[in-house]
Amino acid sequence: QVQLQESGPGLVKPSQTLSLTCTVSGDSIRSGGYYWSWIRQHPGEGLEWIGYIYYSGGTYYNPSLRSRVTISVDTSKNQFSLKLRSVTAADTAVYYCARVPTGTTFLDYWGQGTLVTVSS
Amino acid sequence: EIVLTQSPGTLSLSPGERATLSCRASQSVSSSYLAWYQQKPGQAPRLLIYGASSRTSGIPDRFSGSGSGTDFTLTISRLEPEDFAVYYCQQYGSSPQTFGQGTKLEI
Repeated sequence: QVQLQESGPGLVKPSQTLSLTCTVSGDSIRSGGYYWSWIRQHPGEGLEWIGYIYYSGGTYYNPSLRSRVTISVDTSKNQFSLKLRSVTAADTAVYYCARVPTGTTFLDYWGQGTLVTVSS
Repeated sequence: EIVLTQSPGTLSLSPGERATLSCRASQSVSSSYLAWYQQKPGQAPRLLIYGASSRTSGIPDRFSGSGSGTDFTLTISRLEPEDFAVYYCQQYGSSPQTFGQGTKLEI
């Protein structure tokens, strides 16, 4: 059974960088066959795709966030990470990591999510 | 980007009843690349349907998806108590992938 677990600070100051890591178990990122994705959900609202990465390092970012986002992968630790720069209160959200079968971009397994609050 | 509009915003039904949830796209969704997710409070979304009508493994057959082009429907044939949740549609045929705003299914 594939499991994903987000980790990282729950509080980030405005203008700083939000950094989160997703640890994958039950599957190997290196095996290919999947993209590894970040999605966020603002409090009480819908879902927003942030971007995804392939094990080889190829990435796709939502154009609305592209200038501030970097997603990276560490296959030796079976982890992938999100960095979101220059955050504001509008970046307060629950951040999810998820798995995406290649050839499609629906999300078949999700982490439980982690709330990140941007506040001084 | 493709905007997905879900209706109704809230649907009030009772266990045993049939639920019909709508997802309308601002432009045609290529290859019926439309998915449905269920989200319960405090939980991550769970994939129900992909490719507009294919059920994910382990999803009961009371859940069914249909539609093409710009109009898609999620039907729950006989509501069980555990089905009351928020449902989101997602299109993944065009970049960026986008989600609808959700339909809350309440008792």
